[in-house]
Amino acid sequence: DTEVTQTPKHLVMGMTNKKSLKCEQHMGHRAMYWYKQKAKKPPELMFVYSYEKLSINESVPSRFSPECPNSSLLNLHLHALQPEDSALYLCASSPKPWLGWDKNIQYFGAGTRLSVL
Amino acid sequence: GQQLNQSPQSMFIQEGEDVSMNCTSSSIFNTWLWYKQDPGEGPVLLIALYKAGELTSNGRLTAQFGITRKDSFLNISASIPSDVGIYFCAGQPHNNYGQNFVFGPGTRLSVLP
Repeated sequence: DTEVTQTPKHLVMGMTNKKSLKCEQHMGHRAMYWYKQKAKKPPELMFVYSYEKLSINESVPSRFSPECPNSSLLNLHLHALQPEDSALYLCASSPKPWLGWDKNIQYFGAGTRLSVL
Repeated sequence: GQQLNQSPQSMFIQEGEDVSMNCTSSSIFNTWLWYKQDPGEGPVLLIALYKAGELTSNGRLTAQFGITRKDSFLNISASIPSDVGIYFCAGQPHNNYGQNFVFGPGTRLSVLP
């Protein structure tokens, strides 16, 4: 089983709303990621959690707040978003954090299509 | 940061034709992953490569880890309509502790019936 499950599939929110995206994996992976993807572009890394601790924050605005409650779950809390934040948000997981010399792999969820009005 | 290039940027082929695309970098990579993404969906892992010269197949797909470790190739044989999508390569830079892997810009494949 290589499944990363994301909910909801679609989300429409106003600029004053607070919402959360959820990601779950039961592969025992210890690294989890949030990416943002705009149309016709590759995924852009937002956050990395390694062993449930935030290890990378790619200068993401504070209106995006990640949370890793346990090794299987990853949340992305959204507040006061802007229309330009509309995108496909992807969660991914790896057995371990990426190191330069070690074999690793990464699986993606199906994504949450977010529209900010 | 590390950059990956993919070529071609897009391609239109006839159903049944073979397809070749590649991914290149100016620096050495330890891992190459090839993904396919359909519109509105997440990238799906096709093939993972870990060793220079490695050739791996997955059905009609074959990928190779370049000998120089600066490139990788993906071939699709006898294309079918469901091969339509964007193909991304992603690589793990060598000796780049803590650096997550890098995505290429993608190759958009269209298959004409």
